Amino acid sequence: SQQGEEDPQALSIQEGENATMNCSYKTSINNLQWYRQNSGRGLVHLILIRSNEREKHSGRLRVTLDTSKKSSSLLITASRAADTASYFCATFTGGGNKLTFGTGTQLKVEL
Amino acid sequence: DTAVSQTPKYLVTQMGNDKSIKCEQNLGHDTMYWYKQDSKKFLKIMFSYNNKELIINETVPNRFSPKSPDKAHLNLHINSLELGDSAVYFCASSQSVRTSQETQYFGPGTRLLVL
Repeated sequence: SQQGEEDPQALSIQEGENATMNCSYKTSINNLQWYRQNSGRGLVHLILIRSNEREKHSGRLRVTLDTSKKSSSLLITASRAADTASYFCATFTGGGNKLTFGTGTQLKVEL
Repeated sequence: DTAVSQTPKYLVTQMGNDKSIKCEQNLGHDTMYWYKQDSKKFLKIMFSYNNKELIINETVPNRFSPKSPDKAHLNLHINSLELGDSAVYFCASSQSVRTSQETQYFGPGTRLLVL
């Protein structure tokens, strides 16, 4: 069954603005990961946050994790047209030894 | 120097046919995966192999049979293709399933269309 639900399903912003995507999940996790998928391409790993971490940064990306609310957010600052893609959260549960992906957010950054 | 490669990139075939998709990774990883992404972009794991051993087998019809000749290759054979099999199939790999930090590296996908 689906683990992650992402919100919003679609997001359209202007270049230079910040984009925030949210992910909620259902069961306990070892870590949560964010991936990007450009149209017609495979997924690319962006960032991983462990269950004992609350915030993590990588370049223009900022990820937060609230295990009490079973939710995470991905913030992309100063967005660029090249950030246009679908973004997926994925949870890793050690017991299942697998990643379970969310429904994805389609981000469009317009010039 | 492609990390995870899949062939073919596109596959168009008739209902009832049998087809195979191949995947190779040159990252030296122990674990490989097959995912199916449907038309709504929902991505679901199908199989996972660790060092040639099947470790994840989700609820997938018996018509789908993975084969791992060595830890760098994981192929997917599909018998008696059905319309509902039309999707994008992604291969992925990760260093080892035994660690709790599992970044996965994805191939470019194989777009399967069953007519």
